[in-house]
Amino acid sequence: QSALAQPASVSGSPGQTITLSCTETSSDFGTSTLVSWYQQHPGKAPRLLIYDGSKRPSGVSDRFSGSKSGNTASLTISGLQADDEADYYCCSFAIRTNAVFGGGTKLTVL
Amino acid sequence: EVQLMESGGDLVQPGGSLRLSCTVSGFTFSSYAMSWVRQAPGTGLEWVSAITASGGTTHYADSVKGRFTISRDNYKNTLYLQMDTLRAEDTAVYYCAKGTVVAASRFEYWGQGTLVAVTS
Repeated sequence: QSALAQPASVSGSPGQTITLSCTETSSDFGTSTLVSWYQQHPGKAPRLLIYDGSKRPSGVSDRFSGSKSGNTASLTISGLQADDEADYYCCSFAIRTNAVFGGGTKLTVL
Repeated sequence: EVQLMESGGDLVQPGGSLRLSCTVSGFTFSSYAMSWVRQAPGTGLEWVSAITASGGTTHYADSVKGRFTISRDNYKNTLYLQMDTLRAEDTAVYYCAKGTVVAASRFEYWGQGTLVAVTS
């Protein structure tokens, strides 16, 4: 069973660039594993930010970017804004495990 | 505009049953895999179940396997989750989410959620 570890909290100042990590703790992200990232504001439904590791859906700002290396996927947010303050979840999908979410990271904009 | 709307959430006693519905519009429902994802109060997201576009294949998280059943009616553009033998730990907001034409490999759009509270 896959397990994804995310830091509980991260903070940054407006204008900064921050990176959120998502570490696969049972094995490396295989080439067939698809990673997606979601943003969730309090009381709202999650929103897809990144899929297939690094692709952005239409309508998502290019300030959000994703990457994957070995057992870690990353979400980078550049030009941090107040509205970026939210919870962020990574999710991995593979045929053998279906979808697994990380525990989430609370991003605070100082 | 893609829209998903869940309904059916309620207060139910342990051991009880509930059926959630998710009515969609704005895309060709019968072409996409769909999922249910839940979020217990104050906690993170948990994938619950998925179903292929045709409804021919279903998948479940270990925590609900044997108790929950996902299904869909492609003529009514509606996704369902039959929840039986409910436990206190099933208390959560339940979201339906649109997948891709191949699988529920990502959650492209989400509904606003419906609250299920299991308590005596």
